[in-house]
Amino acid sequence: QSVLTQPPSVSAAPGQKVTISCSGSRSNIGNNYVSWYQQLPGTAPKLLIYDNSKRPSGIPDRFSGSKSVTSATLGITGLQTGDEADYYCGTWDGSLSAVVFGGGTKLTV
Amino acid sequence: QLQLQESGPGLVKPSETLSLTCTVSGGSISSSNYYWGWIRQPPGKGLEWIGSILYSGSTYYNPSLKSRVTISVDTSNNQFSLKLSSVTAADTAVYYCARKLLRYFDPFDPWGQGTLVTVSS
Repeated sequence: QSVLTQPPSVSAAPGQKVTISCSGSRSNIGNNYVSWYQQLPGTAPKLLIYDNSKRPSGIPDRFSGSKSVTSATLGITGLQTGDEADYYCGTWDGSLSAVVFGGGTKLTV
Repeated sequence: QLQLQESGPGLVKPSETLSLTCTVSGGSISSSNYYWGWIRQPPGKGLEWIGSILYSGSTYYNPSLKSRVTISVDTSNNQFSLKLSSVTAADTAVYYCARKLLRYFDPFDPWGQGTLVTVSS
């Protein structure tokens, strides 16, 4: 049972838009910035979004992030088959004194 | 470009100690701007943070693993290491090393490719 709750799977057609939610509490998302990672099959996680909504250099603007109170959302527009991956949210939990991750969401395009 | 590479035994016996090393290239582990961390992922499951270390040796660990974990740094070889004692089958996972900035909530970036460690007799 992960501290951050994500839907196990989402799907959408190529070219469409999808959102992935990450639900937490005041001790984690409510008081800290959220990051999002993309894990393509058989590879290490890659940073997609940090500080709730910022994109590292090289990440296309098809990927976006937002946060509201104790939930965060990853949005992906113009879906491509290459976007098929597992997506994880992560942050710090002040009550647990630990870095915490969501359980991951499998995106099917 | 910064790169991280995990190394160590791929098979560990139950009750023994798992030992892994992460070698950093393309940058110095002695930077005061970064923590260096370990994260693991059991087969088919999600990510679990193990702990992080600063070049000075300052550490913080996941409370759920703290009693069994030791992370150390070797600045002369630009490496940091993980030791996890009294392992069981539940410790079977891909172990990743990664870099992060100093705020607790800062993300891990970049990551090593990961190394699978199986706990079995």
